[in-house]
Parts: sequence; structure tokens; C-alpha cells
Amino acid sequence: GQNIDQPTEMTATEGAIVQINCTYQTSGFNGLFWYQQHAGEAPTFLSYNVLDGLEEKGRFSSFLSRSKGYSYLLLKELQMKDSASYLCAVKGSGNTGKLIFGQGTTLQVKP
Amino acid sequence: DTEVTQTPKHLVMGMTNKKSLKCEQHMGHRAMYWYKQKAKKPPELMFVYSYEKLSINESVPSRFSPECPNSSLLNLHLHALQPEDSALYLCASSLTTGGYNQPQHFGDGTRLSIL
Repeated sequence: GQNIDQPTEMTATEGAIVQINCTYQTSGFNGLFWYQQHAGEAPTFLSYNVLDGLEEKGRFSSFLSRSKGYSYLLLKELQMKDSASYLCAVKGSGNTGKLIFGQGTTLQVKP
Repeated sequence: DTEVTQTPKHLVMGMTNKKSLKCEQHMGHRAMYWYKQKAKKPPELMFVYSYEKLSINESVPSRFSPECPNSSLLNLHLHALQPEDSALYLCASSLTTGGYNQPQHFGDGTRLSIL
């Protein structure tokens, strides 16, 4: 079967660092995406990993270990506007374009 | 602002009505997608179009009928919907369905309520 796990909810303090984990078991792997979704809005693309290692984009970084089926999204210098749902999604094998989504992690940033 | 435009933003319809959702992108993307999203859940794939041809139908009931008139437009025709079909309907596009690092770009969605 295909399965993606991420924590349901997390809370962090403004200015702090938070790490959102994602583990996956999929038949085939063509990359892992992280999306941010504010309530009532569209998901927006944050990052993509297909090779092992860390990808950094400003305050956001994403890490991948293919051998462990594991990724994390690291958010630094948290701001109130980072309160949102964070979706981990894996692109499986084949050229279908299909993404397998995790259930999403709701992050609440507190002052 | 997103580069994928969806209309209308909100739609309320009765179970006997016929309506259509529209999606437009001008990024030159050749893959377009319809998703359904319920509150506090991830998007759920409904249909995929690749080069204007339907390539995936995730066993969606026939009361939902997709159409891709050209490479920039995607419609979702609705007829005889049920209350459980009330949800946020998201359109997305990507350069193609294959390849690496081709993220899907989502529209803001149509919030659909069935009375």
C-alpha cells in the first residue's frame, strides 16, 4: 500500500524553529513536495526534494532521506503568518502526475 | 495572487441544478487537475488531463463531468449533486505529468455548497 505520515498538529513560538516530519511508503518515488495551505486558501508550493540532502530556501529548508523514507520541513525565525497547514506529497512512479498527500500538519505559531 | 484562476469563488446550488466550474492558466502548462478538498483533509484527486486528454479518472461519480476545451482551460460540469459533494474544489496545473521538479500550482478554489 501507499502511506504518508505526518503529525496532525504542532505548536511553536514566534521567532523559534520548528521541524515538521514526514515518513512515506510508496510504490515508486519521483520526488517529494511540501505545500503550505492557509485556511480557505490554495496550497502553495514550498519545496521539492528528489535527491538525498537538504534544500534551503530562505527561512524554509527541506530534507530528504530516500533510504529511510523520511523528509522534514524546517521553518526558522517563525512568524505569525506561518500558522497554516503543511502538506507533504510524494510523486510516485510513472508519468501520471499523481501526488500522494499526507493528512497535513496544522502549525499554530503563538506570540 | 495565484496564476491559476478559478471561477466562481463560491457556488450554492440545489440538488437538481446544473452548473459549471471554470479554471484557467496561462503558464503554458500541459497538465491540469481537479481536486476535491474537505475541511481539515488533504486534496483528493478527481481527474487529470494531459495534453487536453483525460488521463486519470479516480472513479469519480458521473454527476461530475470534466472537460478540457483547450490547453489553457479546464471545466467541471456538475449535475444532480448530493449534499456530501459540498467541498472546496481545487484546480491545479503543472508543466507536464512526468519529469522531475514540476510542482502543481493550485488555484484558490471554488467553495461549493449543495442545498
